[in-house]
Amino acid sequence: EVQLVESGGGLVQPGGSLRLSCAASGFTFSSYSMNWVRQAPGKGLEWVSYISSSSSTIYYADSVKGRFTISRDNAKNSLYLQMNSLRDEDTAVYYCASDGHVVWHYFDYWGQGTLVTVSS
Amino acid sequence: DIQMTQSPSSLSASVGDRVTITCRASQSIAGYLNWYQQKPGKAPKFLIYAASSLQSGVPSRFSGSRSVTDFTLTISSLQPEDFATYYCQQSYSTPWTFGQGTKVEIK
Repeated sequence: EVQLVESGGGLVQPGGSLRLSCAASGFTFSSYSMNWVRQAPGKGLEWVSYISSSSSTIYYADSVKGRFTISRDNAKNSLYLQMNSLRDEDTAVYYCASDGHVVWHYFDYWGQGTLVTVSS
Repeated sequence: DIQMTQSPSSLSASVGDRVTITCRASQSIAGYLNWYQQKPGKAPKFLIYAASSLQSGVPSRFSGSRSVTDFTLTISSLQPEDFATYYCQQSYSTPWTFGQGTKVEIK
């Protein structure tokens, strides 16, 4: 059974930093691209970042470019999101999601999410 | 960025009704359109990819179609477990973008 478990969320002041982790199991993590998707309270879904299986290709949404860094450790079956210079508008539940297809880029498995609250 | 516009934003329907949700892209995205279902407090669930291909395990009452830049999610006979919010997502070009969601409520 595929499992994605996020951790690392919490309360942080504006301008602060946080590192999210996503532990994967039940599939060959090193063969799949991965994504972070967030959802602000009461709002819709927003794609944040993508990393290919070998980390050779990385994309970011403009809203986080230059502040967030996605990375992965295939030996540890783990995905990360380093978030710096956090803003109020970064408050959201952050989901890691597997990228199900190299062409169609759909998000086929999702974690339960971790809440990041940016507030003074 | 490609804008995805869903309609309606919400709808009320009864069990057994046929429900249709539309998603319009601001430019051509070919068939690069995916659909998700989200229930309150839960992670989204993947339903359909490439506009009309059903993910394994998704009930056959769900279907998707495409007409140029207009995409449709249809639930042929609404079941109690289908009351949720539905999102479309384009995967034609980054940044991948979602529609604003359509909430399907019980009439």
